[in-house]
Amino acid sequence: DTGVSQDPRHKITKRGQNVTFRCDPISEHNRLYWYRQTLGQGPEFLTYFQNEAQLEKSRLLSDRFSAERPKGSFSTLEIQRTEQGDSAMYLCASSLGPADYGYTFGSGTRLTVV
Amino acid sequence: GQNIDQPTEMTATEGAIVQINCTYQTSGFNGLFWYQQHAGEAPTFLSYNVLDGLEEKGRFSSFLSRSKGYSYLLLKELQMKDSASYLCAVRDRNQAGTALIFGKGTTLSVSS
Repeated sequence: DTGVSQDPRHKITKRGQNVTFRCDPISEHNRLYWYRQTLGQGPEFLTYFQNEAQLEKSRLLSDRFSAERPKGSFSTLEIQRTEQGDSAMYLCASSLGPADYGYTFGSGTRLTVV
Repeated sequence: GQNIDQPTEMTATEGAIVQINCTYQTSGFNGLFWYQQHAGEAPTFLSYNVLDGLEEKGRFSSFLSRSKGYSYLLLKELQMKDSASYLCAVRDRNQAGTALIFGKGTTLSVSS
């Protein structure tokens, strides 16, 4: 297993366009998290899946954001009608249960909205 | 709600020891984590404390005092490659999925 994979690594899009990111967690991990990180800040929690069920969404996740995890494997995060304020690193992490050793993070997708 | 505070920046020289402090407020504390993040890369796990005391792992140690809402990460024998952001994160049992809540990070610069 090569860890948590995210695709693409970088995405530049024009304001108003829709974008979709993919995360492939470690295969046996049942929990998957999306975080957003802007320059000089720590990661901010966006949403959490346990298997295929989305169990929590942060108030940061506006109605332009949607996330899915069909079949409890990979996950997608879609942003509709992107705004410049959406420019950030989007990080995916996974864990097996509560994970006393924290999560394993992917390398992230850096989104730039121009 | 939760609140996590850590210094924004620190500097140190190779071979020295540095201590990065973190204070937190959370209603359902269930563990404190330290992560290292190099610029443009993913955070990587360094340490985990859930009981009071010191956890040592090679050059890195982490301390927790739950009554004071305080932790520190101690880095010994600093190397240039230790230049990175160090993130303090708290797990809150009141947060679904026990999602980690991160501080803003401390940028450590190690010079020769």
